[in-house]
Amino acid sequence: AQKITQTQPGMFVQEKEAVTLDCTYDTSDPSYGLFWYKQPSSGEMIFLIYQGSYDQQNATEGRYSLNFQKARKSANLVISASQLGDSAMYFCAMREPNNAGNMLTFGGGTRLMVKP
Amino acid sequence: ETGVTQTPRHLVMGMTNKKSLKCEQHLGHNAMYWYKQSAKKPLELMFVYNFKEQTENNSVPSRFSPECPNSSHLFLHLHTLQPEDSALYLCASSPRDGRAHEQFFGPGTRLTVL
Repeated sequence: AQKITQTQPGMFVQEKEAVTLDCTYDTSDPSYGLFWYKQPSSGEMIFLIYQGSYDQQNATEGRYSLNFQKARKSANLVISASQLGDSAMYFCAMREPNNAGNMLTFGGGTRLMVKP
Repeated sequence: ETGVTQTPRHLVMGMTNKKSLKCEQHLGHNAMYWYKQSAKKPLELMFVYNFKEQTENNSVPSRFSPECPNSSHLFLHLHTLQPEDSALYLCASSPRDGRAHEQFFGPGTRLTVL
Protein backbone atom coordinates (compact mmCIF):
# COMPACT_ATOMS: atom_id res chain seq x y z
CA ALA A 1 0.00 0.00 0.00
CA GLN A 2 1.21 3.48 -0.80
CA LYS A 3 2.21 5.56 2.16
CA ILE A 4 1.75 8.90 0.43
CA THR A 5 -1.03 9.45 -2.09
CA GLN A 6 -1.46 12.46 -4.30
CA THR A 7 -4.61 11.93 -6.32
CA GLN A 8 -4.25 14.90 -8.67
CA PRO A 9 -1.71 14.20 -11.39
CA GLY A 10 -2.25 17.67 -12.87
CA MET A 11 -4.05 20.86 -12.01
CA PHE A 12 -4.67 24.25 -13.55
CA VAL A 13 -5.17 27.44 -11.59
CA GLN A 14 -5.72 30.99 -12.71
CA GLU A 15 -3.02 33.45 -11.75
CA LYS A 16 -3.75 35.22 -8.43
CA GLU A 17 -6.23 32.56 -7.33
CA ALA A 18 -5.69 30.07 -4.52
CA VAL A 19 -5.19 26.37 -5.15
CA THR A 20 -5.21 23.28 -2.94
CA LEU A 21 -3.04 20.27 -3.68
CA ASP A 22 -4.19 17.09 -1.98
CA CYS A 23 -2.08 14.67 -0.01
CA THR A 24 -3.11 11.73 2.14
CA TYR A 25 -0.75 9.54 4.07
CA ASP A 26 -0.70 6.25 5.87
CA THR A 27 1.26 5.50 9.00
CA SER A 28 0.72 3.74 12.29
CA ASP A 29 3.45 5.69 14.04
CA PRO A 30 2.22 8.58 16.21
CA SER A 31 5.35 10.60 15.49
CA TYR A 32 5.95 11.65 11.93
CA GLY A 33 6.63 14.68 9.78
CA LEU A 34 5.02 15.83 6.59
CA PHE A 35 6.76 17.90 3.93
CA TRP A 36 5.93 19.59 0.69
CA TYR A 37 8.54 20.11 -2.00
CA LYS A 38 8.39 22.00 -5.28
CA GLN A 39 10.25 20.74 -8.31
CA PRO A 40 10.52 23.20 -11.20
CA SER A 41 11.55 22.06 -14.65
CA SER A 42 15.18 22.60 -13.66
CA GLY A 43 14.93 19.47 -11.53
CA GLU A 44 15.94 20.53 -8.04
CA MET A 45 13.61 19.82 -5.16
CA ILE A 46 12.82 22.94 -3.16
CA PHE A 47 11.56 22.58 0.39
CA LEU A 48 8.34 24.53 0.96
CA ILE A 49 6.75 23.67 4.27
CA TYR A 50 6.84 21.21 7.14
CA GLN A 51 4.20 19.90 9.58
CA GLY A 52 5.00 17.77 12.58
CA SER A 53 2.43 15.28 13.77
CA TYR A 54 2.36 16.87 17.21
CA ASP A 55 2.18 20.44 16.01
CA GLN A 56 -0.97 22.08 17.29
CA GLN A 57 -1.31 24.61 14.53
CA ASN A 58 -1.25 24.31 10.78
CA ALA A 59 2.07 25.30 9.29
CA THR A 60 2.34 28.45 7.21
CA GLU A 61 5.23 29.84 5.17
CA GLY A 62 4.41 32.96 3.23
CA ARG A 63 1.90 32.06 0.53
CA TYR A 64 2.05 28.38 1.48
CA SER A 65 -0.06 26.83 4.19
CA LEU A 66 -0.66 23.26 5.13
CA ASN A 67 -4.18 22.11 5.92
CA PHE A 68 -3.37 19.34 8.38
CA GLN A 69 -6.27 17.07 9.28
CA LYS A 70 -4.76 14.40 11.46
CA ALA A 71 -7.85 12.24 11.89
CA ARG A 72 -8.31 12.09 8.15
CA LYS A 73 -4.58 11.64 7.58
CA SER A 74 -4.48 14.44 5.08
CA ALA A 75 -1.95 17.23 4.63
CA ASN A 76 -3.10 19.39 1.78
CA LEU A 77 -0.97 22.25 0.51
CA VAL A 78 -2.71 25.55 -0.07
CA ILE A 79 -1.03 28.13 -2.29
CA SER A 80 -2.61 31.55 -2.10
CA ALA A 81 -2.41 34.18 -4.83
CA SER A 82 -0.86 31.86 -7.42
CA GLN A 83 1.97 33.22 -9.53
CA LEU A 84 3.25 32.07 -12.91
CA GLY A 85 6.43 30.94 -11.21
CA ASP A 86 4.43 28.47 -9.14
CA SER A 87 4.06 26.23 -12.20
CA ALA A 88 5.97 23.09 -11.22
CA MET A 89 5.65 19.59 -9.83
CA TYR A 90 4.70 19.44 -6.17
CA PHE A 91 5.54 16.48 -3.98
CA CYS A 92 4.20 15.54 -0.60
CA ALA A 93 6.53 13.49 1.58
CA MET A 94 6.51 11.86 4.99
CA ARG A 95 9.27 11.15 7.45
CA GLU A 96 8.78 8.41 10.00
CA PRO A 97 11.15 7.84 12.88
CA ASN A 98 14.01 5.74 11.66
CA ASN A 99 17.35 5.19 13.22
CA ALA A 100 18.93 5.09 9.81
CA GLY A 101 18.27 8.72 9.23
CA ASN A 102 15.59 11.08 8.13
CA MET A 103 14.26 8.94 5.32
CA LEU A 104 11.47 10.46 3.31
CA THR A 105 8.75 8.65 1.41
CA PHE A 106 7.38 10.67 -1.49
CA GLY A 107 4.04 10.73 -3.24
CA GLY A 108 3.67 10.61 -7.00
CA GLY A 109 3.42 14.37 -7.33
CA THR A 110 0.99 16.89 -8.77
CA ARG A 111 1.84 19.05 -11.74
CA LEU A 112 0.50 22.55 -11.19
CA MET A 113 0.08 24.86 -14.13
CA VAL A 114 -0.72 28.51 -13.50
CA LYS A 115 -2.60 30.26 -16.29
CA PRO A 116 -2.05 33.98 -16.95
CA GLU B 1 29.32 27.55 -3.26
CA THR B 2 26.47 26.93 -0.92
CA GLY B 3 23.86 24.22 -0.59
CA VAL B 4 24.06 20.91 -2.39
CA THR B 5 25.79 20.64 -5.74
CA GLN B 6 25.79 17.77 -8.21
CA THR B 7 27.97 17.06 -11.20
CA PRO B 8 27.52 16.42 -13.99
CA ARG B 9 24.07 17.87 -14.58
CA HIS B 10 23.55 15.71 -17.64
CA LEU B 11 25.13 12.40 -18.57
CA VAL B 12 24.66 10.11 -21.54
CA MET B 13 26.36 6.75 -21.35
CA GLY B 14 26.38 3.39 -23.05
CA MET B 15 25.55 0.20 -21.25
CA THR B 16 29.21 -0.84 -21.10
CA ASN B 17 30.52 2.47 -19.77
CA LYS B 18 31.64 3.26 -16.24
CA LYS B 19 30.85 6.68 -14.89
CA SER B 20 30.43 8.41 -11.54
CA LEU B 21 28.00 10.97 -10.21
CA LYS B 22 29.26 13.41 -7.62
CA CYS B 23 27.42 15.22 -4.87
CA GLU B 24 28.85 17.79 -2.50
CA GLN B 25 27.14 19.58 0.35
CA HIS B 26 28.33 22.76 2.01
CA LEU B 27 25.81 22.77 4.83
CA GLY B 28 27.70 20.91 7.51
CA HIS B 29 25.17 18.08 7.45
CA ASN B 30 25.91 14.56 8.56
CA ALA B 31 23.46 12.55 6.46
CA MET B 32 23.44 12.23 2.69
CA TYR B 33 21.07 10.45 0.34
CA TRP B 34 20.74 9.26 -3.23
CA TYR B 35 17.30 9.23 -4.82
CA LYS B 36 16.18 8.04 -8.22
CA GLN B 37 13.35 9.82 -9.99
CA SER B 38 11.98 7.97 -12.99
CA ALA B 39 9.24 9.24 -15.24
CA LYS B 40 5.78 8.69 -13.77
CA LYS B 41 7.10 7.16 -10.55
CA PRO B 42 7.56 8.61 -7.08
CA LEU B 43 11.03 9.40 -5.89
CA GLU B 44 12.77 6.25 -4.78
CA LEU B 45 15.32 6.32 -2.00
CA MET B 46 18.43 4.40 -3.00
CA PHE B 47 21.06 4.90 -0.30
CA VAL B 48 21.48 6.68 3.00
CA TYR B 49 24.76 7.59 4.65
CA ASN B 50 25.14 8.87 8.18
CA PHE B 51 28.56 10.09 9.28
CA LYS B 52 30.06 8.35 6.22
CA GLU B 53 28.49 5.01 7.13
CA GLN B 54 25.94 3.46 4.83
CA THR B 55 22.81 2.87 6.88
CA GLU B 56 20.34 2.06 4.15
CA ASN B 57 20.47 0.24 0.85
CA ASN B 58 17.02 0.12 -0.58
CA SER B 59 17.44 -3.08 -2.61
CA VAL B 60 19.45 -1.28 -5.24
CA PRO B 61 21.14 -3.40 -7.95
CA SER B 62 24.88 -3.82 -7.60
CA ARG B 63 25.52 -1.91 -10.81
CA PHE B 64 25.02 1.16 -8.61
CA SER B 65 27.84 1.52 -6.11
CA PRO B 66 27.82 4.41 -3.64
CA GLU B 67 30.84 5.89 -1.95
CA CYS B 68 30.98 8.42 0.88
CA PRO B 69 34.59 9.40 1.64
CA ASN B 70 33.54 12.11 4.09
CA SER B 71 30.42 13.83 5.35
CA SER B 72 30.54 16.42 2.59
CA HIS B 73 30.93 14.20 -0.46
CA LEU B 74 28.87 11.41 -1.91
CA PHE B 75 29.48 9.50 -5.13
CA LEU B 76 27.42 7.09 -7.14
CA HIS B 77 29.54 4.83 -9.33
CA LEU B 78 27.75 3.41 -12.33
CA HIS B 79 28.70 0.40 -14.43
CA THR B 80 26.93 -1.82 -16.95
CA LEU B 81 23.70 0.09 -16.59
CA GLN B 82 20.47 -0.71 -18.39
CA PRO B 83 18.26 1.66 -20.39
CA GLU B 84 15.65 1.50 -17.61
CA ASP B 85 18.20 3.14 -15.32
CA SER B 86 17.69 6.37 -17.25
CA ALA B 87 16.33 8.83 -14.71
CA LEU B 88 17.02 11.94 -12.70
CA TYR B 89 19.34 11.12 -9.81
CA LEU B 90 18.97 13.46 -6.88
CA CYS B 91 21.31 13.87 -3.98
CA ALA B 92 20.16 15.31 -0.67
CA SER B 93 21.60 16.06 2.75
CA SER B 94 20.19 16.69 6.19
CA PRO B 95 21.36 17.13 9.76
CA ARG B 96 21.48 13.79 11.52
CA ASP B 97 19.99 14.91 14.79
CA GLY B 98 18.03 17.75 16.30
CA ARG B 99 15.20 19.29 14.37
CA ALA B 100 16.36 17.71 11.12
CA HIS B 101 13.14 18.81 9.56
CA GLU B 102 14.14 18.91 6.01
CA GLN B 103 16.38 17.46 3.40
CA PHE B 104 18.14 19.83 1.08
CA PHE B 105 18.33 18.60 -2.47
CA GLY B 106 20.81 19.17 -5.22
CA PRO B 107 19.76 19.99 -8.78
CA GLY B 108 20.10 16.40 -9.91
CA THR B 109 21.93 14.57 -12.67
CA ARG B 110 19.81 13.60 -15.62
CA LEU B 111 21.14 10.26 -16.79
CA THR B 112 20.39 8.68 -20.14
CA VAL B 113 21.55 5.13 -20.79
CA LEU B 114 21.69 4.16 -24.43
